[in-house]
Amino acid sequence: SQTIHQWPATLVQPVGSPLSLECTVEGTSNPNLYWYRQAAGRGLQLLFYSVGIGQISSEVPQNLSASRPQDRQFILSSKKLLLSDSGFYLCAGTRGGEQYFGPGTRLTVT
Amino acid sequence: GEDVEQSLFLSVREGDSSVINCTYTDSSSTYLYWYKQEPGAGLQLLTYIFSNMDMKQDQRLTVLLNKKDKHLSLRIADTQTGDSAIYFCAEADNQGGKLIFGQGTELSVKP
Repeated sequence: SQTIHQWPATLVQPVGSPLSLECTVEGTSNPNLYWYRQAAGRGLQLLFYSVGIGQISSEVPQNLSASRPQDRQFILSSKKLLLSDSGFYLCAGTRGGEQYFGPGTRLTVT
Repeated sequence: GEDVEQSLFLSVREGDSSVINCTYTDSSSTYLYWYKQEPGAGLQLLTYIFSNMDMKQDQRLTVLLNKKDKHLSLRIADTQTGDSAIYFCAEADNQGGKLIFGQGTELSVKP
């Protein structure tokens, strides 16, 4: 079965600092990969998705970027964090019709 | 654009059945999903249904899909306190499998 790993689990960063969140997938090859953000309410917003190495689609203009250097690795980055970047970041991967989520990273920007 | 709507709260007594409802707008959705989220955790895939199905049953869970009305429901039989969580409905678009989520229904199970 497919397993999504994310780290770190929690992160507190000052405004203006850089960010790097990592997601890795095991149990499947060539998955579609996704980054979602869940804000303080409940809604999940799709930030980026990737159908292959080096292929990134951005859903919303923002302060963040994503990269996929390897088939099973998806990285979310920022050069300078904003207060509004705080939230719960979830990585997901698709195998067939099933989309599985990682445990998430809770980011607090202070 | 695509939109998925759910009621925000549902409260039931332990042992009763829970029915969580969802409406969606994209008639070309290929899959429809139900996820469960416990406090501080990621989303757990509970079940999903392909758009050419009307019903899917998996142990205590029953999913009903009415394509004409674009209505999806999740029934949990014999609801337990451990079922208390937020339940998200989501539809997958037909381009890359991106999911559009509802706002989530918070299920509260009272003993």
